[in-house]
Amino acid sequence: DIQMTQSPSSVSASVGDRVTITCRASQAISYWVAWYQQRPGKAPKLLMYSASRLQSGVPSRFSGSGSGTDFSLTISSLQPEDFATYYCQQVNSFPYTFGQGTKLEIK
Amino acid sequence: QVQLVESGGGLVKPGGSLRLSCAASGFTFSDYYMTWIRQAPGKGLEWVSYISRDGSTIYYADSVRGRFTISRDNAETSLYLQMNSLRAEDTAVYYCARVLGGTTPNGAFDIWGQGTMVTVSA
Repeated sequence: DIQMTQSPSSVSASVGDRVTITCRASQAISYWVAWYQQRPGKAPKLLMYSASRLQSGVPSRFSGSGSGTDFSLTISSLQPEDFATYYCQQVNSFPYTFGQGTKLEIK
Repeated sequence: QVQLVESGGGLVKPGGSLRLSCAASGFTFSDYYMTWIRQAPGKGLEWVSYISRDGSTIYYADSVRGRFTISRDNAETSLYLQMNSLRAEDTAVYYCARVLGGTTPNGAFDIWGQGTMVTVSA
């Protein structure tokens, strides 16, 4: 199985900050990575797919990059609604696997 | 609007069975691959199972293979998860989700239901 290792596991930041979350795959997966945001008590929401494609309706302050084994999600200017938990996911091969999550907290 | 609504969760004893349903609306259900994902209390996301548009291709996580069965009824626009031989470690919120891309699936999950809680406890 492909392991997805996210870092950091948690991060504190302020409104307006730029934040980057990284995800490393245990083997090369081309660009087959998705990123999700999950607010407490809610279902996850798709932010990015194919590593760098912004899902419809997602603000442009979110961006993704990477290919092969190393991927990142960047939020260019944090807004209050962005404080949540973020997950990467590989969709290169079954079983699909998620990273362990990154909790983004208000400083 | 595009919507997925799960039902069927509840409290069940170890070794018991439960059938989850996911009712789809607002899109052409038969055009999309579908999937189940779960999240144990306070934990991360775990992919569970995946089914093709016509049900001919199915995948399971190792943790549920042989105990869970995914199925769909395109006429009823519904997805199902039959869960047998349930264990305490199956306790989780179960989400159904649509696979992005329709007839050319991308793999990412673009529409999620609100989830249904399954608790396995004596």
